[in-house]
Amino acid sequence: KAGVTQTPRYLIKTRGQQVTLSCSPISGHRSVSWYQQTPGQGLQFLFEYFSETQRNKGNFPGRFSGRQFSNSRSEMNVSTLELGDSALYLCASSENRVGGYTFGSGTRLTVV
Amino acid sequence: ELKVEQNPLFLSMQEGKNYTIYCNYSTTSDRLYWYRQDPGKSLESLFVLLSNGAVKQEGRLMASLDTKARLSTLHITAAVHDLSATYFCASYQTGANNLFFGTGTRLTVIP
Repeated sequence: KAGVTQTPRYLIKTRGQQVTLSCSPISGHRSVSWYQQTPGQGLQFLFEYFSETQRNKGNFPGRFSGRQFSNSRSEMNVSTLELGDSALYLCASSENRVGGYTFGSGTRLTVV
Repeated sequence: ELKVEQNPLFLSMQEGKNYTIYCNYSTTSDRLYWYRQDPGKSLESLFVLLSNGAVKQEGRLMASLDTKARLSTLHITAAVHDLSATYFCASYQTGANNLFFGTGTRLTVIP
């Protein structure tokens, strides 16, 4: 069974640009969550999608957005990038939440 | 908002020794997860604890949950170098519908 696939693995962007990250969940998993990991703030929840609907959103500015497609693949978009957006972005998929979340390898975003 | 505190933040221990990592959470939680993260890598699921008194063991790691004390522990028995990593606990709260992570414990096992 393939795991959670995130692309790209690494990304370097300039301040003010926008970026789109992709996440393909485990087959059959309909829930996709996104987390940001930084040395200063740790792991913070961004949002969760289930069956193409955003079910929950963390405390992040509107520059952070996402969506989920009918095949459960999810994308996360960050507009007007700031230096502070440099982080490891992790995607997690879940079949029913109870059993747990499986994380992808992450996308390391560097904003210069 | 649910807050999760781990201690210690850093742990350096010799091979063969035992130690415990503590995870306290501030409000009622539905379940508790433990993850391992190696440098530059993603999070690897270790345990899911679903009810009060739950205990799970895998190799040299054992996790337990006390919902009344709002405390979970990860006990390391006879540490080996391969256990060196950062360990995170995460609490799930149904109302919030997401995981709240602890600060992580960076474990270094010295040969």
